[in-house]
Amino acid sequence: EAGVAQSPRYKIIEKRQSVAFWCNPISGHATLYWYQQILGQGPKLLIQFQNNGVVDDSQLPKDRFSAERLKGVDSTLKIQPAKLEDSAVYLCASSLFGRGVLQETQYFGPGTRLLVL
Amino acid sequence: GDSVTQMEGPVTLSEEAFLTINCTYTATGYPSLFWYVQYPGEGLQLLLKATKADDKGSNKGFEATYRKETTSFHLEKGSVQVSDSAVYFCALSVGGFQKLVFGTGTRLLVSP
Repeated sequence: EAGVAQSPRYKIIEKRQSVAFWCNPISGHATLYWYQQILGQGPKLLIQFQNNGVVDDSQLPKDRFSAERLKGVDSTLKIQPAKLEDSAVYLCASSLFGRGVLQETQYFGPGTRLLVL
Repeated sequence: GDSVTQMEGPVTLSEEAFLTINCTYTATGYPSLFWYVQYPGEGLQLLLKATKADDKGSNKGFEATYRKETTSFHLEKGSVQVSDSAVYFCALSVGGFQKLVFGTGTRLLVSP
């Protein structure tokens, strides 16, 4: 079974530029998550999709970050404009059901490492 | 709010030593508890989990017991190997949306 795919793996941009990350979850997984992992910290949830609807984006900086999950499969996370403090690893994860299912495992992709100069 | 506190690293051990990584949590409801592991250059992988008090999760020789009275979920292994060198994250999820809240991670370094 293929895992969660993410691209690119690495990205270097200058502040105020824009950047986009792509995620392809495990086939058939209804729920998709984007996490931000700053160096030395644990991952922090940015946004959670159930199929193509947003169920939690309370920690997404909406003035600069946006995300979409068209057709309930792939997802794109965008930052525009980027700030120095956005330097982090952006992790995508997926799970089979999501809401209302206890004990469910989230499967993580390898992440995209972003450096903002 | 919900939070996880785990011991700071790095934890440096010799091969075959006993491992404990402490984890405590604060949650408003009844969380499920997890340990994730991140090997160098790889993504996060679920190591083990427990969903109710006194449950013990185990995998690959690692164990952790859900202790409600002490709000803890300490990770243990009787004999570590060099291949166990990684960063270990304690996490909880609570509520209908299964949002994961992670600790800051503990780096384990095992030398031959």
